[in-house]
Amino acid sequence: GENVEQHPSTLSVQEGDSAVIKCTYSDSASNYFPWYKQELGKGPQLIIDIRSNVGEKKDQRIAVTLNKTAKHFSLHITETQPEDSAVYFCAASFAMYSGGGADGLTFGKGTHLIIQP
Amino acid sequence: EAGVAQSPRYKIIEKRQSVAFWCNPISGHATLYWYQQILGQGPKLLIQFQNNGVVDDSQLPKDRFSAERLKGVDSTLKIQPAKLEDSAVYLCASTLLALPQETQYFGPGTRLLVL
Repeated sequence: GENVEQHPSTLSVQEGDSAVIKCTYSDSASNYFPWYKQELGKGPQLIIDIRSNVGEKKDQRIAVTLNKTAKHFSLHITETQPEDSAVYFCAASFAMYSGGGADGLTFGKGTHLIIQP
Repeated sequence: EAGVAQSPRYKIIEKRQSVAFWCNPISGHATLYWYQQILGQGPKLLIQFQNNGVVDDSQLPKDRFSAERLKGVDSTLKIQPAKLEDSAVYLCASTLLALPQETQYFGPGTRLLVL
């Protein structure tokens, strides 16, 4: 099955600086890569995702890059703010485009992002 | 729009006891997932339903875990008997359509402690 490795486990940055979280995956068939943010006592919330036919995607201060050859994808947060402090998870899945199949996510172990004021 | 609802939010039981969790997905959502999140780790898929049918239960420990989704809406996850290593947060998620790569919306989870 799929295995997702995530680094670092903890990341502390100064407010206003950039943060980068990296993930690798093992199954070359995986074609969907979402990133989730989880705050204390809450369920994960999707912040951005990327599909295998795209190399980069951006949404305001958040961007994700995908290197399918290296089986590697990264989350970039610029101009970090205190409210960005949370645990971030990368995930991967394979889903048939015909739909209706199993597409449960395999998650990394998470990165605790700390924004220092 | 109301989110995914889960209850109870917290549960403490002794090992070998039984426990059940309930999930009410977002109205109209076709696909429902149960994940187990052990402290310090990412969520791990247990079972996926599409409407009221099971799509994937390959990672569900079927000797002690069971789940059902009656009428394709609410779902219950049961553990019988519980072990110490079942202590975790049990997350329910749902997606609107039975299409690949749909956004999964997660509930707040049920935190289980087995003593």
